Amino acid sequence: DSGVTQTPKHLITATGQRVTLRCSPRSGDLSVYWYQQSLDQGLQFLIQYYNGEERAKGNILERFSAQQFPDLHSELNLSSLELGDSALYFCASSTGGNSYNEQFFGPGTRLTVL
Amino acid sequence: DQQVKQNSPSLSVQEGRISILNCDYTNSMFDYFLWYKKYPAEGPTFLISISSIKDKNEDGRFTVFLNKSAKHLSLHIVPSQPGDSAVYFCAASAPVQGAQKLVFGQGTRLTINP
Repeated sequence: DSGVTQTPKHLITATGQRVTLRCSPRSGDLSVYWYQQSLDQGLQFLIQYYNGEERAKGNILERFSAQQFPDLHSELNLSSLELGDSALYFCASSTGGNSYNEQFFGPGTRLTVL
Repeated sequence: DQQVKQNSPSLSVQEGRISILNCDYTNSMFDYFLWYKKYPAEGPTFLISISSIKDKNEDGRFTVFLNKSAKHLSLHIVPSQPGDSAVYFCAASAPVQGAQKLVFGQGTRLTINP
C-alpha cells in the first residue's frame, strides 16, 4: 500500500460526458502528479501540482483540467470524452517538488468511454 | 517522439540468473533516470535511480548502469527471483521551463521462470 488513494477504481461512461477523478496523496506529500496509461503504452505525464499550484505540465489535452485543493487532494477533470480517452489514470505523490523525487503511485482509475 | 525507449517488450529469465533490462534515450538534457516496477492491478513502485553525473548505482540485488555517450541505461537484477516478475518502466527527468518533467518508456515485462 503506497498510501495514495484514488477514487473511483473503475468508471464507465459515454462519449461527450464529463468525469472527475480524485486523488489523495500520502500524508505529508506536497506534490501530486497525474499520468495516463493507454493500452500498450507507457505512462504519459499529464500535470503536476505542488502545494496547491501548478508546477509542470505535460501532454495534457485542453479538454482535461486538474486542481489541487488546500487539503492537498487533487482532482482531474476530463470533459467531452472521446473513445481514445479510455485508459488507466494514475495519480502519484512525492514529498518534494521535483519529478525525480521518488513518486508513490496510487492503484489507478480505469476509465472506459463507450 | 519517443524520447525514452525500451525496445524489448518482454524478457524471460531463469530464477537465480541475471536479468538485464535496457533503456535508450534521445534527449541529452535528461539529468536523472529512474526505474519503476509494476505488478498487475497496482500502481508503479519506485525501484532505483541514478543521477547523470554517475555511471552506476547499486541497491541490494538491483544495479543501474548509465552510459551517457551511448544514451543508454540498464537495470541488472541478480539473482533474479520469482517475485521480480513484473513490468519494468524506465523513466528520465529533464528540466523544462523551471520544472522537472518525467518521461517514461513503454515498459518491459520480465518473467522469472523457476
